[in-house]
Amino acid sequence: GEQVEQRPPHLSVREGDSAVITCTYTDPNSYYFFWYKQEPGASLQLLMKVFSSTEINEGQGFTVLLNKKDKRLSLNLTAAHPGDSAAYFCAVSPQGGRALIFGTGTTVSVSP
Amino acid sequence: NSKVIQTPRYLVKGQGQKAKMRCIPEKGHPVVFWYQQNKNNEFKFLINFQNQEVLQQIDMTEKRFSAECPSNSPCSLEIQSSEAGDSALYLCASSWGNTGQLYFGEGSKLTVL
Repeated sequence: GEQVEQRPPHLSVREGDSAVITCTYTDPNSYYFFWYKQEPGASLQLLMKVFSSTEINEGQGFTVLLNKKDKRLSLNLTAAHPGDSAAYFCAVSPQGGRALIFGTGTTVSVSP
Repeated sequence: NSKVIQTPRYLVKGQGQKAKMRCIPEKGHPVVFWYQQNKNNEFKFLINFQNQEVLQQIDMTEKRFSAECPSNSPCSLEIQSSEAGDSALYLCASSWGNTGQLYFGEGSKLTVL
């Protein structure tokens, strides 16, 4: 079945720096991809949903790139600020309507 | 603010005790999911429902857990006999469909002593 690998597990950056998190997946038929943010003690908050091949999506303070050829999904925090400190998870929707499969998470710490 | 309501936020049980968690999905969402998130942030899918019917579940859920989503009542997930390895955050999520965006509750954190 589908496997999702997320790197790095931890990331420490200074305010204003960029931070990149990458997920790779195995099933070429996966078709929906998500990034979630989880602050301590809080629910998972959806940052972005993507489904087109080789797509760049810009959100507030971040960019998401999907490369279906390489089976890679990345999240780039473009100018990190302390409010970005959280755990980030990618999630992949595999073929056959099965439940989302999550990456193992990246804990991001942004220092002033 | 999360519109998926989970209760209780925290529960502490001894080994062998039952542990029950409840979830009210977002209004109008027919699909409900339960995930287990362990201390290493690993997610394990447990079970999902469409309306009152089970769509998918894993072996562990079939054997030691019971779950239901009755009509007009909260969904529930119950561990029949808690084990230390069950200590985790149990997340409920709801969705319009089985492959779409999930809306998560804040979770029920279970500690098994």
